[in-house]
Amino acid sequence: GAVVSQHPSRVICKSGTSVKIECRSLDFQATTMFWYRQFPKQSLMLMATSNEGSKATYEQGVEKDKFLINHASLTLSTLTVTSAHPEDSSFYICSARGGWQNTEAFFGQGTRLTVV
Amino acid sequence: AQRVTQPEKLLSVFKGAPVELKCNYSYSGSPELFWYVQYSRQRLQLLLRHISRESIKGFTADLNKGETSFHLKKPFAQEEDSAMYYCALRGYNQGGKLIFGQGTELSVKP
Repeated sequence: GAVVSQHPSRVICKSGTSVKIECRSLDFQATTMFWYRQFPKQSLMLMATSNEGSKATYEQGVEKDKFLINHASLTLSTLTVTSAHPEDSSFYICSARGGWQNTEAFFGQGTRLTVV
Repeated sequence: AQRVTQPEKLLSVFKGAPVELKCNYSYSGSPELFWYVQYSRQRLQLLLRHISRESIKGFTADLNKGETSFHLKKPFAQEEDSAMYYCALRGYNQGGKLIFGQGTELSVKP
């Protein structure tokens, strides 16, 4: 299957700072990327959907000014957690999908964010 | 509203026993249904999808539109099947986003 890479895999940051997470599709063009948040042994909660070159579509309850998503190219999307707080500590997962019909979404390995 | 429900948080069976992980969904239309698996310390990966009607690693799942269910079954569980299993739904014309259930942890004991 196709490969989606997230970087970093772990990050610790101080409260009030911003942190950027990258999601790359390594061997296919991802017209759509999705960002999820996962709590321990719980479901993946969709945060937003981003299409290359367009503004991201955020799910209800997700603050767009806090979780900035950029999808400037067909192989890269970034999630920036701005002014991070301890409650933002979580596991963030991206997935990427090509533009053809019925295509599978491939998942990154996730990023563990800890805000101290 | 779209919703995926996996009623069991944890399912524990002995090796060789049959396994059924339950999944029910709520969607006004014809969704695509998927099962994803997450082994320990690994990324989420697709196990199977209803439109393929295939068996992967001995697992099968049949979409029952009348009961709005997509239960995952395996006749003889193996220890290596121990993992988190997520049922997911993809609606029509919704940009491809997946809605996940809460997940079921399958533990297969020797």
